[in-house]
Amino acid sequence: SQTIHQWPATLVQPVGSPLSLECTVEGTSNPNLYWYRQAAGRGLQLLFYSVGIGQISSEVPQNLSASRPQDRQFILSSKKLLLSDSGFYLCAWTHGGELFFGEGSRLTVL
Amino acid sequence: GENVEQHPSTLSVQEGDSAVIKCTYSDSASNYFPWYKQELGKRPQLIIDIRSNVGEKKDQRIAVTLNKTAKHFSLHITETQPEDSAVYFCAASIDSGYALNFGKGTSLLVTP
Repeated sequence: SQTIHQWPATLVQPVGSPLSLECTVEGTSNPNLYWYRQAAGRGLQLLFYSVGIGQISSEVPQNLSASRPQDRQFILSSKKLLLSDSGFYLCAWTHGGELFFGEGSRLTVL
Repeated sequence: GENVEQHPSTLSVQEGDSAVIKCTYSDSASNYFPWYKQELGKRPQLIIDIRSNVGEKKDQRIAVTLNKTAKHFSLHITETQPEDSAVYFCAASIDSGYALNFGKGTSLLVTP
């Protein structure tokens, strides 16, 4: 069966520090991968999606970036965090059907 | 791009009553409309979905209706129970397997 792992689960970072969130999917190949952000009162906002290795589409211009170095690995990064980057980040995958979410990473920027 | 609006943002009902959440979408090319439930501190999970070739779909106490002409769809929960308390998200996309555009969510509280 397919599983999705996302880490770290929680982190507290100072403004201006870098960020790296990782997501891996097991049990499938060539999945579509997504990064969503959930901020209070703003629902689930699509940040990036990828249909293959090295293929990244950005939905919202900001100081975040994403990379897909391997088929089942998706990384969300920032060189310098802003206060507004605080939120609950969710990795997700699909292979033509239901969208499955990871357990999320709660980021607090102070 | 697709814009999904969801109402109400909060909903409180008594146990046993029905709850209805409504969403509208803007892109007439959208054909897939899932609903996700997110319990506190957990990940969203799919509870029901509907495609544009169907007007209504039911799964036990949960049903979804779609009016493609008016571009709106609704979630109906009957005989609500306290464990139905959660945040519910509607979404739309051109098909399953594509990026979903979500509404802002409805926080449902079912009081005993």
